[in-house]
Amino acid sequence: DAGITQSPRHKVTETGTPVTLRCHQTENHRYMYWYRQDPGHGLRLIHYSYGVKDTDKGEVSDGYSVSRSKTEDFLLTLESATSSQTSVYFCAISVAEGGDTQYFGPGTRLTVL
Amino acid sequence: AQSVTQPDIHITVSEGASLELRCNYSYGATPYLFWYVQSPGQGLQLLLKYFSGDTLVQGIKGFEAEFKRSQSSFNLRKPSVHWSDAAEYFCAVADSNYQLIWGAGTKLIIKP
Repeated sequence: DAGITQSPRHKVTETGTPVTLRCHQTENHRYMYWYRQDPGHGLRLIHYSYGVKDTDKGEVSDGYSVSRSKTEDFLLTLESATSSQTSVYFCAISVAEGGDTQYFGPGTRLTVL
Repeated sequence: AQSVTQPDIHITVSEGASLELRCNYSYGATPYLFWYVQSPGQGLQLLLKYFSGDTLVQGIKGFEAEFKRSQSSFNLRKPSVHWSDAAEYFCAVADSNYQLIWGAGTKLIIKP
């Protein structure tokens, strides 16, 4: 298994509170991704990173921000959580883009009440 | 815009029977196509991918998929399913920015 961990694995929070999810990799891969998974939608890309301090928006970036200060860590922040952000969040890594294989973390289940 | 359609939300097959999961994509150029599998409570794992060349692609766990350009399809097959194949299966296509566009998934249920 690729060395990807996500923390926390489960979180329950209240509307309006800030939340930060962490993705940590031990593979030294350049590319990192944050997805959300919702029933009937598959996975949708939130943000991705192509290097330290290099990030870009995905399909559903509104309400989310990211930071990558080290190769191994990619943080996803919900500045003010809303109930529509209740979801399962997956981090993924890849050596290259262009359709390279993505390796996924175990996911974080976030519930916003 | 690129898109991926998996027409079947659920499929139920008997153990030992053959399996075909459908995937249709919308993309103008030669696509990069993928099948991933997600076991309950787990992340996703790559089963196989198609970039170019032979249109029949072999993957892990005995799965294969065939790229048919004329039908814009990339269907996943397995000749004989095992109870451990029960999972959700996702098809994806890399878009023009090399980001993956995902289908909604097909949940495979195995009858004993």
